[in-house]
Amino acid sequence: NAGVTQTPKFQVLKTGQSMTLQCAQDMNHEYMSWYRQDPGMGLRLIHYSVGAGITDQGEVPNGYNVSRSTTEDFPLRLLSAAPSQTSVYFCASSASGTRINQPQHFGDGTRLSIL
Amino acid sequence: GQSLEQPSEVTAVEGAIVQINCTYQTSGFYGLSWYQQHDGGAPTFLSYNGLDGLEETGRFSSFLSRSDSYGYLLLQELQMKDSASYFCAVRDQSNYQLIWGAGTKLIIKP
Repeated sequence: NAGVTQTPKFQVLKTGQSMTLQCAQDMNHEYMSWYRQDPGMGLRLIHYSVGAGITDQGEVPNGYNVSRSTTEDFPLRLLSAAPSQTSVYFCASSASGTRINQPQHFGDGTRLSIL
Repeated sequence: GQSLEQPSEVTAVEGAIVQINCTYQTSGFYGLSWYQQHDGGAPTFLSYNGLDGLEETGRFSSFLSRSDSYGYLLLQELQMKDSASYFCAVRDQSNYQLIWGAGTKLIIKP
């Protein structure tokens, strides 16, 4: 009963490095999203996808890319890491992006530090 | 734009009742949700109010008043395991995305 799986759980990068945060869900959910969480600021949406092949920008998309080639996977790419991207990153999924009462299911998060 | 306001911290005693308020300014939204997050953990869904009124789920209840742009989460018979942060969120009518409050840290004392 995996749900939403994120890897890695922790990562330290140097400024300018690139990396991909992985997210996979096994619930056949249409909707997937990436958030970042910083102290005292709640969750901010980076990118989201309402189905395979469809992605869109959220509130804070700069510096990040996503793709959705399959229903299960939604990787987040940091193009050139900056200290401002130090944060906790959560991937979430829900059965539908447009059915308004659908809860979001979250992965355990990736704690990312940029030096 | 959209914004939600919650108290940053609330303190209560084990066994008591506590209410966490959420006020919002939004041009249009689909309902109010509540999520719980323990320190170091992931947010987990608690409740959703699509219509005005009270929704009850065990020890937790949630309320929404659209006319007052206000909602709250009510936790009864507090237990130490309820110590966590609680987030309200509204679903934006323009793109269906969730907009989150900054969260309320609930501290429970024995």
